Amino acid sequence: AQSVTQPDIHITVSEGASLELRCNYSYGATPYLFWYVQSPGQGLQLLLKYFSGDTLVQGIKGFEAEFKRSQSSFNLRKPSVHWSDAAEYFCAVGPRGAGSYQLTFGKGTKLSVIP
Amino acid sequence: GAGVSQSPSNKVTEKGKDVELRCDPISGHTALYWYRQSLGQGLEFLIYFQGNSAPDKSGLPSDRFSAERTGGSVSTLTIQRTQQEDSAVYLCASSFLGLAGTETQYFGPGTRLLVL
Repeated sequence: AQSVTQPDIHITVSEGASLELRCNYSYGATPYLFWYVQSPGQGLQLLLKYFSGDTLVQGIKGFEAEFKRSQSSFNLRKPSVHWSDAAEYFCAVGPRGAGSYQLTFGKGTKLSVIP
Repeated sequence: GAGVSQSPSNKVTEKGKDVELRCDPISGHTALYWYRQSLGQGLEFLIYFQGNSAPDKSGLPSDRFSAERTGGSVSTLTIQRTQQEDSAVYLCASSFLGLAGTETQYFGPGTRLLVL
């Protein structure tokens, strides 16, 4: 069965520092890959997604993610974190083809930002 | 509206009671999804509606859960005889066509359900 692992439950970084959130997936074939962000009391917002092509994907709010097939990873990065980035981040995968709407989410990584 | 809206924002109920959660998708979106987010867990897919097609109910955890979508727009998720383990945030999302995973799903703010 497919699964998504976000090994870090909680990460704290200083404002201005770089950030990397890890995501590993277990899947029969390369799935569609997504990163979502959830601010307190808000719904999820899509940051970026990977379908095919260039393995380095640019998203909103200055985020990027790199797909590494050999490592089954899709890590999220940001070179300089802002206090407003404090939120919970979810990695998700979706199968290609039939049923591809059925996303599987990781358990999330909560990001705290120290001023 | 501008985004997906859900009501109520919060719901407290007693064990054994029925609850209804409402979702208003983005106007023009034909696909609608329900997810459950339990404390410390990721999102769990519950059900998917696409136009007039039969919904995919494969994620519903038990027969106490049901959902309908009237007129291809508003959806209601009903939980009968609620149990304490049903306490969670229920998120609704919609997308334009529901085509493959290539579409962006737009999420509502969720309904936080607490079963006492």
